Amino acid sequence: DAMVIQNPRYQVTQFGKPVTLSCSQTLNHNVMYWYQQKSSQAPKLLFHYYDKDFNNEADTPDNFQSRRPNTSFCFLDIRSPGLGDAAMYLCATSRGKTIAKNIQYFGAGTRLSVL
Amino acid sequence: SQQGEEDPQALSIQEGENATMNCSYKTSINNLQWYRQNSGRGLVHLILIRSNEREKHSGRLRVTLDTSKKSSSLLITASRAADTASYFCATALGGNTPLVFGKGTRLSVIA
Repeated sequence: DAMVIQNPRYQVTQFGKPVTLSCSQTLNHNVMYWYQQKSSQAPKLLFHYYDKDFNNEADTPDNFQSRRPNTSFCFLDIRSPGLGDAAMYLCATSRGKTIAKNIQYFGAGTRLSVL
Repeated sequence: SQQGEEDPQALSIQEGENATMNCSYKTSINNLQWYRQNSGRGLVHLILIRSNEREKHSGRLRVTLDTSKKSSSLLITASRAADTASYFCATALGGNTPLVFGKGTRLSVIA
C-alpha cells in the first residue's frame, strides 16, 4: 500500500502559469520534505516541515512556496514556472524528533514539464 | 556543496557479478544511509549505518563505513537485472539537519 502519495505523476504547465503539486502520507510522520531532482542529479532539498514549522533552504528560489494544512498533506506551489523548473519533484516523510536519526520515505514523484 | 560524493558515476556489470559503489563525505556524521532509485520513481531506503558501526548486512547488501577516511561502500552480491537503478548515499550530520544526498551511481546489470 502506498504510504506517500504524490499527485499527479505527470504535470504539464505553461511558462509563467502557477502550478501546485500535492503530497499526502498515511504514516503520520512529523516531517515532510520537498525535493527537486533534475536528470542524473542528486535530489535537492527545497524545504521541509517539522510539524507546522517551515524550514526553507537558503538557496530555494522565492518562486517556490509550500503549504502544510495538516499532518497528512503538503503542497508545493510554483508561482511562475520557468523552463529551468522542469524536473522531478519528490515528496518524502520521516518520523520523530531527531531528523538525522530517521530514514526517509519517498513518494513516486511528480514529473513537471514546462512548455 | 555536496556532502556525499559517489564513485563511480556509472557502473555496468553482468548478472551474477558483484557491484561495489563508494561514497566519500566531508564532515563528521551521525549516520550514513543508502537509497535506491529506479528510473522515474522515488527513492527507497536500503540501509542505515551509524557512525559507531563499521559494517552492516541486509540480504545481498553489505555496507561498510570508515569514519577515519570519511568513506562508505555499498556492495551488492550476485547482482540481478532487477538491481538496475541509481544508488545514492545520504549523510546525516546530526540533530535536525536534513539528509544531504550525493550525486548517485547508476548501476546497470546486464542479463
